[in-house]
Amino acid sequence: QQQVKQSPQSLIVQKGGISIINCAYENTAFDYFPWYQQFPGKGPALLIAIRPDVSEKKEGRFTISFNKSAKQFSLHIMDSQPGDSATYFCAAGGGGSNYKLTFGKGTLLTVNP
Amino acid sequence: DTGVSQNPRHKITKRGQNVTFRCDPISEHNRLYWYRQTLGQGPEFLTYFQNEAQLEKSRLLSDRFSAERPKGSFSTLEIQRTEQGDSAMYLCASSLPQGARYGYTFGSGTRLTVV
Repeated sequence: QQQVKQSPQSLIVQKGGISIINCAYENTAFDYFPWYQQFPGKGPALLIAIRPDVSEKKEGRFTISFNKSAKQFSLHIMDSQPGDSATYFCAAGGGGSNYKLTFGKGTLLTVNP
Repeated sequence: DTGVSQNPRHKITKRGQNVTFRCDPISEHNRLYWYRQTLGQGPEFLTYFQNEAQLEKSRLLSDRFSAERPKGSFSTLEIQRTEQGDSAMYLCASSLPQGARYGYTFGSGTRLTVV
């Protein structure tokens, strides 16, 4: 059972554009929603995270929007740059476990110069 | 401290052989995790240590898999009698006692290819 569904699988954006990646979760006990960025040959690195008591969190060009009633959250990358080209994973955690994360399948983002 | 270190980076083995991977976490992190990542998929939880105690094992971790963390420092993941389906990237991560809520630090992984 896939508890975190991520879309799209791949995304191509022009430099300066907005990249949007969406995730939906099923387990209402989840209470921590991070996004990880992974470059080829590297492990995932924490990018930004949100808890369900806020609807939006912004860090630089990266923003998470969270819709608790719809059980959906999304990552927006403003002014996308070629250096942002990577695979992005949404994840969810909590529900009595403060150690385990359930990841989406990932989105391969390509930002063309 | 340069982060989470995993060795080897790549391992090619013949089906049926045993392999062992090592993970050295960030020194002040008492929690250590193993995840498996296959092509086109996100990381999947395998097991978790708090200090030297292994507190949870996923059903993905068959009897051929064993993980240890002696003395609560480095950890090893052993796969016995490898199968082609074991081919994957094995990721180690560590965190502070607050756990995943404050973010894991992942290593660069060990890519296993079973031929």
